[in-house]
Amino acid sequence: QKEVEQNSGPLSVPEGAIASLNCTYSDRGSQSFFWYRQYSGKSPELIMFIYSNGDKEDGRFTAQLNKASQYVSLLIRDSQPSDSATYLCAVNRGTGGFKTIFGAGTRLFVKA
Amino acid sequence: DAGVIQSPRHEVTEMGQEVTLRCKPISGHDYLFWYRQTMMRGLELLIYFNNNVPIDDSGMPEDRFSAKMPNASFSTLKIQPSEPRDSAVYFCASSSTLAGAVADTQYFGPGTRLTVL
Repeated sequence: QKEVEQNSGPLSVPEGAIASLNCTYSDRGSQSFFWYRQYSGKSPELIMFIYSNGDKEDGRFTAQLNKASQYVSLLIRDSQPSDSATYLCAVNRGTGGFKTIFGAGTRLFVKA
Repeated sequence: DAGVIQSPRHEVTEMGQEVTLRCKPISGHDYLFWYRQTMMRGLELLIYFNNNVPIDDSGMPEDRFSAKMPNASFSTLKIQPSEPRDSAVYFCASSSTLAGAVADTQYFGPGTRLTVL
């Protein structure tokens, strides 16, 4: 079992729709959860982080965390073609020392 | 701030040659990470430093890989000898534990695309 699992996609949604990206993790001691966006040929950039159970909203993005189910998701409302990228889920193991584990990423394609 | 700086951006070398990748973290950041990204294996953590000291090098694939951080503003990742399977994009990232920083957030450099022929 991978430590952080994501559906590789591609996930294809029409412009204006909601894109839903999911991630599960195996380490129950994990404390910090991140979503990075990576455009083709570019480096990952942080778009959201969440530490507590529940929802966290930032503009068109909402991160959702359920520690009991070891599940974290990212919703993108009003998807735009510019959102087309690979989204990496990342989990910090919380054991001290900032060792973050990345998932393999989900490719999102937003059709105009 | 200039962000994380990596050099070279592209490196093409022949099998058996030594390769040195360089990284300058964001000023004031106390953590530095080296990652390798391939289509097959995704983003893998190779090694990370805290205040210039290596904390965890369990991701370094084998003895051919070594990393150093002689001071707070410079780190190197060396592969000697290089092999075709080392071909990948190597990212350096840094983060800060200073007050006001978003804990555990990593800022990535542009990466070095390494091709070993």
